[in-house]
Amino acid sequence: AQTVTQSQPEMSVQEAETVTLSCTYDTSESDYYLFWYKQPPSRQMILVIRQEAYKQQNATENRFSVNFQKAAKSFSLKISDSQLGDAAMYFCATITGTASKLTFGTGTRLQVTL
Amino acid sequence: EAGVVQSPRYKIIEKKQPVAFWCNPISGHNTLYWYRQNLGQGPELLIRYENEEAVDDSQLPKDRFSAERLKGVDSTLKIQPAELGDSAVYLCASSWAGQALVQTFFGQGTRLTVV
Repeated sequence: AQTVTQSQPEMSVQEAETVTLSCTYDTSESDYYLFWYKQPPSRQMILVIRQEAYKQQNATENRFSVNFQKAAKSFSLKISDSQLGDAAMYFCATITGTASKLTFGTGTRLQVTL
Repeated sequence: EAGVVQSPRYKIIEKKQPVAFWCNPISGHNTLYWYRQNLGQGPELLIRYENEEAVDDSQLPKDRFSAERLKGVDSTLKIQPAELGDSAVYLCASSWAGQALVQTFFGQGTRLTVV
């Protein structure tokens, strides 16, 4: 079974600043993938960024990047140049080839202030 | 292209009443998921379909929950009778077969309140 832990229930960042959201996971599988999803008040889960566990290079998507530490089972999300529209719940998740279902953490609520 | 469509967006019912949620996945997506998201938690899988077959329903409380996916397209999730603890957001999601490792697409969910 997979577990995902997000230890920061809430984070706050000023507009244009950088913030890092933490995530740790546990799995016995060697073939797995990691995701960060954003959930705004509309409730729709939106994919932010994806990382294949077999790749050493950290994924980046515009202002979003990850720090993937496989040995430590850590997968943090860095948001640069934060914007008001980034305010939302952020969920870390993992999926394995055998389970074929997403396992989510409990989420981090990100506030962006002026 | 339309995304995953769910209805209704909100539902308030009294305990012991039945309730049903409907989901239309993205066209061509073979795999359909129902997740339940309790307040302050991440979503948890209830059931996964590959075409018409329920391939993982181990977390579905089968005494009161049922689901179907007719013709491998639309799906309905039913609760009968509802209990107070069923209050949650019910999310439907879909992906191409074997492509959940790439991306799973979510609908906007149904917020159920049982009073």
